[in-house]
Amino acid sequence: RKEVEQDPGPFNVPEGATVAFNCTYSNSASQSFFWYRQDCRKEPKLLMSVYSSGNEDGRFTAQLNRASQYISLLIRDSKLSDSATYLCVVNMQRGSSASKIIFGSGTRLSIRP
Amino acid sequence: DAGVIQSPRHEVTEMGQEVTLRCKPISGHNSLFWYRQTMMRGLELLIYFNNNVPIDDSGMPEDRFSAKMPNASFSTLKIQPSEPRDSAVYFCASSLDSWEQFFGPGTRLTVL
Repeated sequence: RKEVEQDPGPFNVPEGATVAFNCTYSNSASQSFFWYRQDCRKEPKLLMSVYSSGNEDGRFTAQLNRASQYISLLIRDSKLSDSATYLCVVNMQRGSSASKIIFGSGTRLSIRP
Repeated sequence: DAGVIQSPRHEVTEMGQEVTLRCKPISGHNSLFWYRQTMMRGLELLIYFNNNVPIDDSGMPEDRFSAKMPNASFSTLKIQPSEPRDSAVYFCASSLDSWEQFFGPGTRLTVL
């Protein structure tokens, strides 16, 4: 089993729709979580961190479920510009300075007019 | 502010040649990461440094790959000898205390 798993998609949804992705992780010692966005032929960029209490940034909501070991990303009122690959990232802290960072393989989202 | 700088942006070489990729992290960041991305395998962490010290190199594919970080502002990833299966986009990223990672634009490597 992969340490971080995502549905590769593609998710093809109409503009204005709400879409949600999940990402599961295998290590219960995982400490911090992030969603990154990667546009075609570009580098990944941080979209948002995921906090235990859940957090919202405009149309984007991220949630963490430690009991079931998954994080989610919800996009409301989707825009054409949301089309990208969304990468789930899990950071497992080891000791005071070392950590292991695992990227999921990404979920492709395509918004159609 | 300058982000992570990588060079070259594109590299085309022949099998058997040595390839050196370079990275300048964001000033003040203490962690540096090298990744490789392909369609088949996605984004793979090759190695990361904390305070210029290699912490985890378990992702380095084989002895043909080596990475160095001689100081806080420079790192190299070397492939010697290169093979066609090394063709990929290589990203360097830096962060402060392993939180948000800032990625460079990547080096697109093609080994013929």
